[in-house]
Amino acid sequence: AQSVAQPEDQVNVAEGNPLTVKCTYSVSGNPYLFWYVQYPNRGLQFLLKYITGDNLVKGSYGFEAEFNKSQTSFHLKKPSALVSDSALYFCAVRRSGYSSASKIIFGSGTRLSIRP
Amino acid sequence: DTEVTQTPKHLVMGMTNKKSLKCEQHMGHRAMYWYKQKAKKPPELMFVYSYEKLSINESVPSRFSPECPNSSLLNLHLHALQPEDSALYLCASSHPSRAQGDTDTQYFGPGTRLTVL
Repeated sequence: AQSVAQPEDQVNVAEGNPLTVKCTYSVSGNPYLFWYVQYPNRGLQFLLKYITGDNLVKGSYGFEAEFNKSQTSFHLKKPSALVSDSALYFCAVRRSGYSSASKIIFGSGTRLSIRP
Repeated sequence: DTEVTQTPKHLVMGMTNKKSLKCEQHMGHRAMYWYKQKAKKPPELMFVYSYEKLSINESVPSRFSPECPNSSLLNLHLHALQPEDSALYLCASSHPSRAQGDTDTQYFGPGTRLTVL
């Protein structure tokens, strides 16, 4: 069975400070891991993904995520937060391998709030 | 171009109405998805089409009826809905992965906000 946990419902950060949004996963075999962002009343926007290789993945809008196999984590990070980063963030996972259409599992979401 | 479009943006319907949601992508993706999302919750998968054939139905009530007329279009037909069906309905599409190391990243549309009175 696959599962994703986002332990924090909300993360509050001051503008200009670094931010981290946590994600841990459980999947048999090697994982494919994703981060999505959702602004109010909008669809999900793809930020970045981990497939294999370098554990540090860089994505859109200055975000990056670090894959840690031993801790089964894939935390989202940004060195300097912007007020415009305030949104709902979802981590997602699926098992690696061929699939004509994948079923990915989403975490419960973390609301990121950046104060000026 | 990673654009998925959905129409309408908003829809209000009564419990006896019949309506349809439309989704379109021109990225050459051969997998398309319908999700339902309640406020502040993650998306819940409803249906998956792969190469225009229904491959996953997550035990969705029959008042929701999907249709994939061609590789670019996905419809969701709605009939006799309940107020608890009010939600944001999201469409997504992806390339099927063909080899180890491929991923089928899903790209989402902006959604249709459905209200059932």
